Formats: sequence, C-alpha cells, structure tokens
Amino acid sequence: NAGVMQNPRHLVRRRGQEARLRCSPMKGHSHVYWYRQLPEEGLKFMVYLQKENIIDESGMPKERFSAEFPKEGPSILRIQQVVRGDSAAYFCASSKSQATYEQYFGPGTRLTVT
Amino acid sequence: QQQVKQSPQSLIVQKGGIPIINCAYENTAFDYFPWYQQFPGKGPALLIAIRPDVSEKKEGRFTISFNKSAKQFSLHIMDSQPGDSATYFCAASRGGSNYKLTFGKGTLLTVNP
Repeated sequence: NAGVMQNPRHLVRRRGQEARLRCSPMKGHSHVYWYRQLPEEGLKFMVYLQKENIIDESGMPKERFSAEFPKEGPSILRIQQVVRGDSAAYFCASSKSQATYEQYFGPGTRLTVT
Repeated sequence: QQQVKQSPQSLIVQKGGIPIINCAYENTAFDYFPWYQQFPGKGPALLIAIRPDVSEKKEGRFTISFNKSAKQFSLHIMDSQPGDSATYFCAASRGGSNYKLTFGKGTLLTVNP
C-alpha cells in the first residue's frame, strides 16, 4: 500500500496526558500537511512541513501543539496536556513537491479525550 | 471568517438523480479548487479538481462547473448511485510556496435506491 499512513487510527487519552500522532507520507512525497476535523465541521489547516522544516504553522494553537517532520521517520503531531476540546479527527495529507497542488489524505487518527 | 461557503448542508436524491453541491469563495488569490469525497471513518479522497482558467471539467460521472466572476463553483454527480452516498467537501488553495487547503463545511449526500 503506497498511500498515506497514519497511526494510531484511534487514540484515547485522559485529560492532561500527551497525544502523539504519526504520519508517513506517500512514497516519493516530501511535503506533509496536518488538518483537524471537528464534529460537523470541515477540515481546518493546522501546519505544513517539509523534511526538517516547518513552513507554515499558522493554524496551530499557540500552546500545547507542536509538529515535526524529521529527516528520517514519520511526521509527528504532538499534543501536550490534552483537553476535551482536542477530541477530533486529525488527518495528514502529503504532496509530492512544493509546486504540487494535489494532496492525498491518510485515514486519520481519531483522538478521544476522556 | 469562512473563506469557502458550501451548500446545502445535506442532500437526499433518488438513484439516477443529479445532486448539485455549491461552493462560494472570497479570496480571489485562490487558483485551485478540488472536491473531496469522504466515507464514514475514512480520510477524504480527491475526487476532481479545477483551475480557474476553465469553466467546466468532467471526470466520469463527476463534473465541476466554475464561475470566476461570481467566485462560485459546483459539483454535479450524474446518474447518482447509492454508493455515492458520502460527505463531499469543496476546498480552495493558492499557489506559491504553500498549498494549504481551505475547506467548506461539507455536504452529506444520501442517494436512495
């Protein structure tokens, strides 16, 4: 399967714990976007990364959220001290290059904060 | 501030009908307009996309109509089937150095047999 992979698919955390969401882009893709989908809402852009660089984090909450895309390994979206309002589906999408419009989405991670 | 407005919120048609979903955008810098299809528990799948230099694009049973002056675009599904029942999202992005997508809120389409 050469598609975008995300894990875990479902994640349950208690308030105050940390959540780590992983995204492996499609083969040959070096650009990753993270989006959040709240119930009954469309997807909202969070952050855009290239290998070892954060290009745009204008959609990320200022506190508790961080993202990285290291030279080796998957992109990681990290949420510290989770609160119930963080419960959502988190999707990553990958694209081939900086000049490519098409983004291909992974299956998402459904985060539930209890 | 909602940059892409999508309507209707939900839509029910009979098999063989032609559902139409509409989107309007505000930012004239947008130059790429995709539609995504999402089934429950799955990620959005790119369905079809259009650039503003054309007024219509067809791929199989799916057609995008684009009106640049009105800043509107729509998705038409010909000969709709129950398997088309899903949530459809329109989106927009601009080129340059960042192709982040701005999404509409989605339309839940139900195609009855």
